[in-house]
Amino acid sequence: QKEVEQDPGPLSVPEGAIVSLNCTYSNSAFQYFMWYRQYSRKGPELLMYTYSSGNKEDGRFTAQVDKSSKYISLFIRDSQPSDSATYLCAMDDSGYQLIWGAGTKLIIKP
Amino acid sequence: GAVVSQHPSWVICKSGTSVKIECRSLDFQATTMFWYRQFPKQSLMLMATSNEGSKATYEQGVEKDKFLINHASLTLSTLTVTSAHPEDSSFYICSATLAGGTFYEQYFGPGTRLTVT
Repeated sequence: QKEVEQDPGPLSVPEGAIVSLNCTYSNSAFQYFMWYRQYSRKGPELLMYTYSSGNKEDGRFTAQVDKSSKYISLFIRDSQPSDSATYLCAMDDSGYQLIWGAGTKLIIKP
Repeated sequence: GAVVSQHPSWVICKSGTSVKIECRSLDFQATTMFWYRQFPKQSLMLMATSNEGSKATYEQGVEKDKFLINHASLTLSTLTVTSAHPEDSSFYICSATLAGGTFYEQYFGPGTRLTVT
């Protein structure tokens, strides 16, 4: 079993929809939870990070961590075609190495 | 700000030859740089962590004699794939953290697509 599981998709939704992207993990020691966005042929860029449990909001993006369920989510409100990308979750316990999900390919249809 | 470049963006080489990939932080000093491999629809795999002026720390299973990493300055790290074979074909991405920054705020380069024929 992988430490971090993420559905590779693709996930296709119409413009304006609310998008929910998720990751599950097995290591209860993880404390830092990150979401990165990667456009085609580009390197990932950090979108949001959360320490421990709870929610964090940044504009149209909300990151949610449920440590009891070992489940993290990224919500995108009012999705735009420019949000089409691959979204990778990453997490860490010791401040040394990020453990990455496989990434979910998101397609926003105009 | 926090721009990382990689060169070349893609390279094709013959089996048995060596290839060097450069990673530069253009507008900041990077005390730590990371090298990853990325396979289609798979996770980023950390290969090694390098700190300026020190030997790189390689992850388990990564051959340090095959993947030579040099972090000669605060703005440049290089990865040399020696005696490349077709199974080394992959997407290689570097990232860097800001001096004094957090380990999880990594700034990534655009990646290098290596094809070994």
